[in-house]
Amino acid sequence: EAGVVQSPRYKIIEKKQPVAFWCNPISGHNTLYWYLQNLGQGPELLIRYENEEAVDDSQLPKDRFSAERLKGVDSTLKIQPAELGDSAVYLCASSLGGQEETQYFGPGTRLLVL
Amino acid sequence: SQQGEEDPQALSIQEGENATMNCSYKTSINNLQWYRQNSGRGLVHLILIRSNEREKHSGRLRVTLDTSKKSSSLLITASRAADTASYFCARRSGNTPLVFGKGTRLSVIA
Repeated sequence: EAGVVQSPRYKIIEKKQPVAFWCNPISGHNTLYWYLQNLGQGPELLIRYENEEAVDDSQLPKDRFSAERLKGVDSTLKIQPAELGDSAVYLCASSLGGQEETQYFGPGTRLLVL
Repeated sequence: SQQGEEDPQALSIQEGENATMNCSYKTSINNLQWYRQNSGRGLVHLILIRSNEREKHSGRLRVTLDTSKKSSSLLITASRAADTASYFCARRSGNTPLVFGKGTRLSVIA
């Protein structure tokens, strides 16, 4: 069974440029998460989807970040414009959902904003 | 913001020794999960312990939970170089999403 797929793995951009990340969750997983992970820190939730509905986006900086999950499968996370402080690893995870969910993580996209 | 802390922040041991990592939290939980992250990779789920459980085992892993002290520990026995990674605890409270700690960076020296 394929795991969570993310692309690109690495991205280097100049500040003020837009950037987009793509995630393909495990087949059949209705819940999808985007996390931000800074160096030496644990993942911090940006947004959670139940199918195509964003059910928790309180930590998403909506002035520059946007996300979508069309058809309830793949998802994209966009930053426009990127700032120096956005340099981090962006992790996507998926799960079957529920209180005892086990989350399955992708390898992440490492973003460097210059 | 993240609740609680893992302790220690970093741990270096010799191969074959046991490694113990601790996790403290502040609010009541439904369950607590431990994840491992190898350098440059995503997180991998290791074990889940429910609030009404006190101990769980999985291979060389042993997790304990003390809800009165709001703490959990992860013990890795007979460590191997391949156990070198960061280990995170994640707490689930009510209907809120999992909250991850800052992690413990474990180095196992061959």
